Amino acid sequence: EPEVTQTPSHQVTQMGQEVILRCVPISNHLYFYWYRQILGQKVEFLVSFYNNEISEKSEIFDDQFSVERPDGSNFTLKIRSTKLEDSAMYFCASSPSGMGEQYFGPGTRLTVT
Amino acid sequence: GQQLNQSPQSMFIQEGEDVSMNCTSSSIFNTWLWYKQDPGEGPVLLIALYKAGELTSNGRLTAQFGITRKDSFLNISASIPSDVGIYFCAGEMDSNYQLIWGAGTKLIIKP
Repeated sequence: EPEVTQTPSHQVTQMGQEVILRCVPISNHLYFYWYRQILGQKVEFLVSFYNNEISEKSEIFDDQFSVERPDGSNFTLKIRSTKLEDSAMYFCASSPSGMGEQYFGPGTRLTVT
Repeated sequence: GQQLNQSPQSMFIQEGEDVSMNCTSSSIFNTWLWYKQDPGEGPVLLIALYKAGELTSNGRLTAQFGITRKDSFLNISASIPSDVGIYFCAGEMDSNYQLIWGAGTKLIIKP
């Protein structure tokens, strides 16, 4: 069964550094998302992406964040100048139609020290 | 912002018992989704609901899309040890494609 994959599974970085989190969505899906989950809290929407552009973003997704689909398979989240409070699980998700069901990857645990 | 109120926050049950949890909102949703999350893993989609009043089953799981489009429930019948985890409801509104999430219901099976 096709699934969303994410790398790395765990990323440790120092405050102020830039990180790139990578995702490979399910191959025939057209809509892509990033979410984050701070330990023990609910999942929070960051951004949705369709047709090579951002379709929606939350208040969390400020200028520190950017997304890119550099080729036909990868979908990346870049976090510039990381802060301690960026420590969280980051989940990528994809959807075939953009309406309803979204399928999640296993997540990348980002630890900012 | 939009809120989903999910309850209960946690449940302690005996193996074999039925479980019920729900999500409510003051806003109308187009779609209700129920996910299960195990520790350190991503949410796994259990059931997707698209129409008001829709009742859908997936094995021992049954979920309903409330007729007012402002609520949904999930039932698990005859719980087994592998049912433990955190269950999240998530809703999608008319106006955008992002999922709004509940805070989760943690299911714990009493030994």
